[in-house]
Amino acid sequence: AQSVAQPEDQVNVAEGNPLTVKCTYSVSGNPYLFWYVQYPNRGLQFLLKYITGDNLVKGSYGFEAEFNKSQTSFHLKKPSALVSDSALYFCAVRGDTGGFKTIFGAGTRLFVKA
Amino acid sequence: NAGVTQTPKFQVLKTGQSMTLQCAQDMNHNSMYWYRQDPGMGLRLIYYSASEGTTDKGEVPNGYNVSRLNKREFSLRLESAAPSQTSVYFCASGSSGRYNEQFFGPGTRLTVL
Repeated sequence: AQSVAQPEDQVNVAEGNPLTVKCTYSVSGNPYLFWYVQYPNRGLQFLLKYITGDNLVKGSYGFEAEFNKSQTSFHLKKPSALVSDSALYFCAVRGDTGGFKTIFGAGTRLFVKA
Repeated sequence: NAGVTQTPKFQVLKTGQSMTLQCAQDMNHNSMYWYRQDPGMGLRLIYYSASEGTTDKGEVPNGYNVSRLNKREFSLRLESAAPSQTSVYFCASGSSGRYNEQFFGPGTRLTVL
């Protein structure tokens, strides 16, 4: 069965510091991994995805994510956080078997302090 | 392009009432999805439609029905609403292919009293 774990309910960082939001996954076959961001009272917006190839994926707004197959992780990172990055972040996974279902993590709330 | 649109934005129902949530996309996507979002539980898939004319159950389909009216529209119906269905409902669409991301609507906040 597919699953996604985001072990931190909340991450607090100071503006200008690097940030990491953690995600681990379990899936049959090859994983397709996604990060989405949700601002208050809005739908989710796509940030980046890993399909295959380079383990470091770059996405929107200066975010990047590192795929680690041995640790089954796909952590979201940004070198220098902005206050405007404060939002709810979701990791999601889809396997290459089992239909088109995408499994989302519970979400991690990021607070960036000025 | 409007992207994914949902109506209504807010709705309050009494237990036992029925309603239909509407979703439309103008991106010519084959796949469409209905999710519910509850605090601490992330998004859970209710139903999805891989293409026009097909629908499949997701993780939490009980109490819901769907209709893929055409390629653009995918509606979600609650036949007899229950307080446990109080949630925020999101519709999403995406291109065919497992590696394609989804595009989400703004959501419908539903309260069942």
